[in-house]
Amino acid sequence: NAGVTQTPKFRVLKTGQSMTLLCAQDMNHEYMYWYRQDPGMGLRLIHYSVGEGTTAKGEVPDGYNVSRLKKQNFLLGLESAAPSQTSVYFCASSRWTGNGFMNTEAFFGQGTRLTVV
Amino acid sequence: KNQVEQSPQSLIILEGKNCTLQCNYTVSPFSNLRWYKQDTGRGPVSLTIMTFSENTKSNGRYTATLDADTKQSSLHITASQLSDSASYICVVSRSGGYNKLIFGAGTRLAVHP
Repeated sequence: NAGVTQTPKFRVLKTGQSMTLLCAQDMNHEYMYWYRQDPGMGLRLIHYSVGEGTTAKGEVPDGYNVSRLKKQNFLLGLESAAPSQTSVYFCASSRWTGNGFMNTEAFFGQGTRLTVV
Repeated sequence: KNQVEQSPQSLIILEGKNCTLQCNYTVSPFSNLRWYKQDTGRGPVSLTIMTFSENTKSNGRYTATLDADTKQSSLHITASQLSDSASYICVVSRSGGYNKLIFGAGTRLAVHP
């Protein structure tokens, strides 16, 4: 049981290049999220998904796209990378319970450190 | 504005000592408050989750308190160990949606021998 796995762990991009970050979870969770973490700031939600085939915008979605074709995978794409997207990206997942999502634990991946030069 | 403020930003203590980290929030409507531990280069790991009706919860040497009236929480670490060196993040959840986690910037704790 690996939990939440992110690929890759590190990446350096040139401005204008594109890339996809992969998140995989083996806990059969319904909900998946992508966050970015910048120095001195709390994690900010980029996009999220409440189930296979669904996605929604979070707090800072501009410049990113996502897809959830399979329940266990959540992909984050950067179409044209910009230096402002230099950050550490975290994927997380959580499950639905009979009492709703709000009190369930979110499990995070180990992060992807992305530098755009 | 929904905000979570943590203090101090950083803290250094000696191994074996206790410490208390603070979290103030202005998130509304409130659903629950979480404390996470984030080791350097790793993702956050949940320590506690407290709902409105809970005012204290423990997880080993970690004890979290919640005062929903004053919108304050604290995380107390007892008999600190070198492995406690990490960032501790306070997260407040708003009612009404799965996308409504408000993260604090964290307190970076360093435990020295």
